[in-house]
Amino acid sequence: GAGVSQSPSNKVTEKGKDVELRCDPISGHTALYWYRQSLGQGLEFLIYFQGNSAPDKSGLPSDRFSAERTGGSVSTLTIQRTQQEDSAVYLCASSLDLEGQYFGPGTRLTVL
Amino acid sequence: AQTVTQSQPEMSVQEAETVTLSCTYDTSENNYYLFWYKQPPSRQMILVIRQEAYKQQNATENRFSVNFQKAAKSFSLKISDSQLGDTAMYFCGLYTGANSKLTFGKGITLSVRP
Repeated sequence: GAGVSQSPSNKVTEKGKDVELRCDPISGHTALYWYRQSLGQGLEFLIYFQGNSAPDKSGLPSDRFSAERTGGSVSTLTIQRTQQEDSAVYLCASSLDLEGQYFGPGTRLTVL
Repeated sequence: AQTVTQSQPEMSVQEAETVTLSCTYDTSENNYYLFWYKQPPSRQMILVIRQEAYKQQNATENRFSVNFQKAAKSFSLKISDSQLGDTAMYFCGLYTGANSKLTFGKGITLSVRP
């Protein structure tokens, strides 16, 4: 079966523009996570979706960041009015129960 | 709050040798899961090994094994017969049901020398 996919793989944008990053989780996985990884750093938790429950948005760094998950499957992370400090790799992961999270290849975002 | 600490920023090992990567953690939960993830230069995070806290037996996956010391809150990863393809960043992760989040350490860069 297919793993977690993310698109685009790379995104270059100008400061102030909005961007949308997409994540397709593994089919049947009920949990979906977004993380941010700055150059050479660890993973910073952003947001977590579990089934139909309200998402845990406690990791979102500002109100410019939002995410949604439609139909319990595909998720979109939106960053409005991008800033240079938003430049990072954005990783999506999905999981079923506690077997471990499976990660996508990430989207490298560069804000000029 | 839960924390994961990887105090070694980088390590180097000769091919075919054994290396141990350290990780300590802290949580007030009694039931939790620990993970090691590998991130090669391709940046794809790969699950290496998983340990349930309620299991005393250390997890093993081929050349990868862990030394889980629950009382000491220590969870180290041993890589035997190191291969060039093991060169990557390795992240230790802690998952608890309390907040359903996977908390990661800062990672360690492992280089395997030919």
